Amino acid sequence: KAGVTQTPRYLIKTRGQQVTLSCSPISGHRSVSWYQQTPGQGLQFLFEYFSETQRNKGNFPGRFSGRQFSNSRSEMNVSTLELGDSALYLCASSQTGTGDVRGNSPLHFGNGTRLTVT
Amino acid sequence: AQKVTQAQTEISVVEKEDVTLDCVYETRDTTYYLFWYKQPPSGELVFLIRRNSFDEQNEISGRYSWNFQKSTSSFNFTITASQVVDSAVYFCALTRSYGSGNTGKLIFGQGTTLQVKP
Repeated sequence: KAGVTQTPRYLIKTRGQQVTLSCSPISGHRSVSWYQQTPGQGLQFLFEYFSETQRNKGNFPGRFSGRQFSNSRSEMNVSTLELGDSALYLCASSQTGTGDVRGNSPLHFGNGTRLTVT
Repeated sequence: AQKVTQAQTEISVVEKEDVTLDCVYETRDTTYYLFWYKQPPSGELVFLIRRNSFDEQNEISGRYSWNFQKSTSSFNFTITASQVVDSAVYFCALTRSYGSGNTGKLIFGQGTTLQVKP
């Protein structure tokens, strides 16, 4: 079974530009979550999508947005990039969401997209 | 509020030594889930274990073992006979149960960098 696939692996953008990152979940997984990882703040939750609907959102400005398609693939977009947006962006998928008491549904992460803003 | 603390920032051991990574968590929920993830230099977070708050049994998987103690809010991870390939950053994480509206959101500790020297 293929794992979570994120594209591209690396991106270099300039302040003020926008960027779109892509994530293909494990086949059969309907929940996709996004995380930002930086040396200073660590791993922080951005948002989670399930069946094309955003179910949960972290404390990030509105410049960070996402969506999920009918095939469960997800994209996240960051507009008006700032230097502080430089980070590793990780996508994770699970069958129903990691807090599902009905079964074992841990998050499976991709390799991430390394975004550098100059 | 939920919080995960990994007090050990970096640990260095020599191959074949045993090493324990500490994790202390805070939550007011009665139902929650705890996780350990490994992050090798490639960046991908690799799922190691998921434990729910009602299951305090310790678990062993090969050279890995986990000790969950609700009385001390700790979920420690021990690697027996460490190997160079165990070198990575290890994260402990916490999530609320499905019905709490926090689907897909993991609260991560700051991580412990483990270096195993040959």
